[in-house]
Amino acid sequence: GAVVSQHPSWVICKSGTSVKIECRSLDFQATTMFWYRQFPKQSLMLMATSNEGSKATYEQGVEKDKFLINHASLTLSTLTVTSAHPEDSSFYICSASPAGGAEQYFGPGTRLTVT
Amino acid sequence: AQSVAQPEDQVNVAEGNPLTVKCTYSVSGNPYLFWYVQYPNRGLQFLLKYITGDNLVKGSYGFEAEFNKSQTSFHLKKPSALVSDSALYFCAVRDYGSASKIIFGSGTRLSIRP
Repeated sequence: GAVVSQHPSWVICKSGTSVKIECRSLDFQATTMFWYRQFPKQSLMLMATSNEGSKATYEQGVEKDKFLINHASLTLSTLTVTSAHPEDSSFYICSASPAGGAEQYFGPGTRLTVT
Repeated sequence: AQSVAQPEDQVNVAEGNPLTVKCTYSVSGNPYLFWYVQYPNRGLQFLLKYITGDNLVKGSYGFEAEFNKSQTSFHLKKPSALVSDSALYFCAVRDYGSASKIIFGSGTRLSIRP
């Protein structure tokens, strides 16, 4: 149980285009989902926290207009990287928490490369 | 503010020997503590957690961790290392009883030599 999927697993896009990444909880309802980015050989940095049906809470320094997060249902959250640039290339990982749960269950990650 | 520190960037151990990956934490209240493992180009896999109860927590793949409140530590251990244990390990902390986020340590790369 407690499986989280991400789609796509990797994506290459051209500079200036937008990319949407999906995060789904497959066998539980996730009231809260988290989005992280990870640069090579570095730790996970929390970008934002999203609760179903409400606006995401962004960490300091994360541009909310660039990284659009939508959590429209209890099993799906999306991260859209708008007007992507090469410096946005990174590994993006989502996680999901069930209601009242202490743990976060992580997706397999999405490798974004912007050319 | 909560924080977690992993003082070692890399730990090298011979196969069959015991291993320890260190972690210390700082929270305002009681902590939820976690260990995760990450293989190359993969997401995080949950190893174990401490919320309350016994200080020695047993987890997946033969790993265990010891919660030490006085030293604010939560070191990851395994009695006999396997080459397949080579990966990146993250310690993480969350404030107990709140909806606050999990904070990750910087990670420790564990390398097990045959």
